[in-house]
Amino acid sequence: GNSVTQMEGPVTLSEEAFLTINCTYTATGYPSLFWYVQYPGEGLQLLLKATKADDKGSNKGFEATYRKETTSFHLEKGSVQVSDSAVYFCALSKGGSQGNLIFGKGTKLSVKP
Amino acid sequence: DAGITQSPRHKVTETGTPVTLRCHQTENHRYMYWYRQDPGHGLRLIHYSYGVKDTDKGEVSDGYSVSRSKTEDFLLTLESATSSQTSVYFCAISGRDRETGGYTFGSGTRLTVV
Repeated sequence: GNSVTQMEGPVTLSEEAFLTINCTYTATGYPSLFWYVQYPGEGLQLLLKATKADDKGSNKGFEATYRKETTSFHLEKGSVQVSDSAVYFCALSKGGSQGNLIFGKGTKLSVKP
Repeated sequence: DAGITQSPRHKVTETGTPVTLRCHQTENHRYMYWYRQDPGHGLRLIHYSYGVKDTDKGEVSDGYSVSRSKTEDFLLTLESATSSQTSVYFCAISGRDRETGGYTFGSGTRLTVV
């Protein structure tokens, strides 16, 4: 079946460090891929997305590239800030009757000043 | 989040009592979802709706029922609450572009069953 695997957290970084959160998926065909962010005490917000192979999604300095050959959608940011501290979720959607989002388990990021 | 509200935000209830959580949207979106979030499990789909009176089960539907009598409201009911249903519950909505557009989430309901 369809699934998403994220790197285990928590991840702790110093401000201005480089961030990578790994995400790989299992799905037939061509799913759409998403990154969501959840700040403390809030619901999930869509951070970025990519709907076909080689697409790059970007938002707020975060980027992720849809790599079909490695079935990956790793999240990166060149210089993290304290305000980026949150839980990040990778997700996929297959479309049609299977169009419901399938989430990874989430990766908690803490950024220290 | 704008366009979607959940109520109540917090609730404490006793084991064996019925509980209903409400999700209300003002976006006129077709699809509505209920998820639960637990440490180590991420988000798991409980039930979803693809139209008025049209609902289907998700991966963790046992012990839960839903109803959607109007486009804007999607109710989640725990018929007889158990401690294992202590969780944070999120409602989400999506439009016709759900495969590519993603979802909009509510702020969540923290439910504690004692």
